[in-house]
Amino acid sequence: KNQVEQSPQSLIILEGKNCTLQCNYTVSPFSNLRWYKQDTGRGPVSLTIMTFSENTKSNGRYTATLDADTKQSSLHITASQLSDSASYICVVSVGDGNNRLAFGKGNQVVVIP
Amino acid sequence: DAGVIQSPRHEVTEMGQEVTLRCKPISGHDYLFWYRQTMMRGLELLIYFNNNVPIDDSGMPEDRFSAKMPNASFSTLKIQPSEPRDSAVYFCASSFNNLPYGYTFGSGTRLTVV
Repeated sequence: KNQVEQSPQSLIILEGKNCTLQCNYTVSPFSNLRWYKQDTGRGPVSLTIMTFSENTKSNGRYTATLDADTKQSSLHITASQLSDSASYICVVSVGDGNNRLAFGKGNQVVVIP
Repeated sequence: DAGVIQSPRHEVTEMGQEVTLRCKPISGHDYLFWYRQTMMRGLELLIYFNNNVPIDDSGMPEDRFSAKMPNASFSTLKIQPSEPRDSAVYFCASSFNNLPYGYTFGSGTRLTVV
């Protein structure tokens, strides 16, 4: 079964600190992996998209890594800001021609001053 | 572009009533997706359309749910009759050629069935 597991489920960090979110998946065949940020009361917004051959991609203070061999990804947030408080969702696209998406349940991040 | 537009933003209805959620995809996008999000299950795909044609509705929970896309710029998700367990946030998303780049979600409709 195509599954995506994220950890930790939630975390609280001090403004200015770094944090790393983890995503493990069992999706096969693999097409691409996406990280989305979802602010409270809003829809998910794409942060990064990585294909099989990419092992790192940055978007400002967000850096995603991908290890396709171990089927793991991480999202690193550098110098966190209050506006980083959100849910971060890992999404893996199944490469079976239908491009179905397997969603993680999200990492809930709260940044406190 | 205004993005994917959903209405209403919030809907509170009584059990047994019909509920209709609306979505306007991004112009030029040929794929439209309906999702449901709950705390317990996260995001779940309900149904998706390609060029206004339903392709996969295996995620629709039961016959009380139906979706239509009469044209390229409008889709509806209907629940009849609604039940309290249908309470969730419903998202519409659209994309071009089902590519990950430009895959855009709307702001969602928060449905509460009492």
